[in-house]
Amino acid sequence: DSGVTQTPKHLITATGQRVTLRCSPRSGDLSVYWYQQSLDQGLQFLIQYYNGEERAKGNILERFSAQQFPDLHSELNLSSLELGDSALYFCASSRKAGGAREQYFGPGTRLTVT
Amino acid sequence: QQPVQSPQAVILREGEDAVINCSSSKALYSVHWYRQKHGEAPVFLMILLKGGEQKGHEKISASFNEKKQQSSLYLTASQLSYSGTYFCGTERTEDSNYQLIWGAGTKLIIKP
Repeated sequence: DSGVTQTPKHLITATGQRVTLRCSPRSGDLSVYWYQQSLDQGLQFLIQYYNGEERAKGNILERFSAQQFPDLHSELNLSSLELGDSALYFCASSRKAGGAREQYFGPGTRLTVT
Repeated sequence: QQPVQSPQAVILREGEDAVINCSSSKALYSVHWYRQKHGEAPVFLMILLKGGEQKGHEKISASFNEKKQQSSLYLTASQLSYSGTYFCGTERTEDSNYQLIWGAGTKLIIKP
């Protein structure tokens, strides 16, 4: 158990809908990362927050947005969902923003768009 | 640019050794290694820093050749529990935002 929690574990929704994925980092971790992993593919970095502020942006679509709240939990919002958005979405946390810090991954949210 | 991992997949018998490589075309500050078992989250293995410092906590070793921008992960006397997909994540010297760029992964299958 990494100490990072993600809810929900599974999500099934229809195209065009909007969903919110939630992540709580490990106690004491200030940085949160969001990743997308399609079936048997690698990790695609989406976005990183550090202590409430956006720190880095990766291949995140305009239909997706995220935020980190004062209590450090983070939410990833996915809208106008398409079939291709079906994937595992991981959240990871680390102590600081970078500087070769190990990341601890949550169990993931499996999103299925039908 | 995404680092290149090789091989893409490898099948071993328990007790055999494996080497997984991760190469980048850019100057690297650090290389991170993670293992992911099917359907589970990636788990941190090791960080190798420019200058030779290593941080890790498993019975797995690695090297980082700064001149070649390449890291190798060494799995010796492999156990069934080593099975999974190994990802390297690279942190480039020129980037200031510490974003990791991930390789496509190397699938390791250990047979008894």
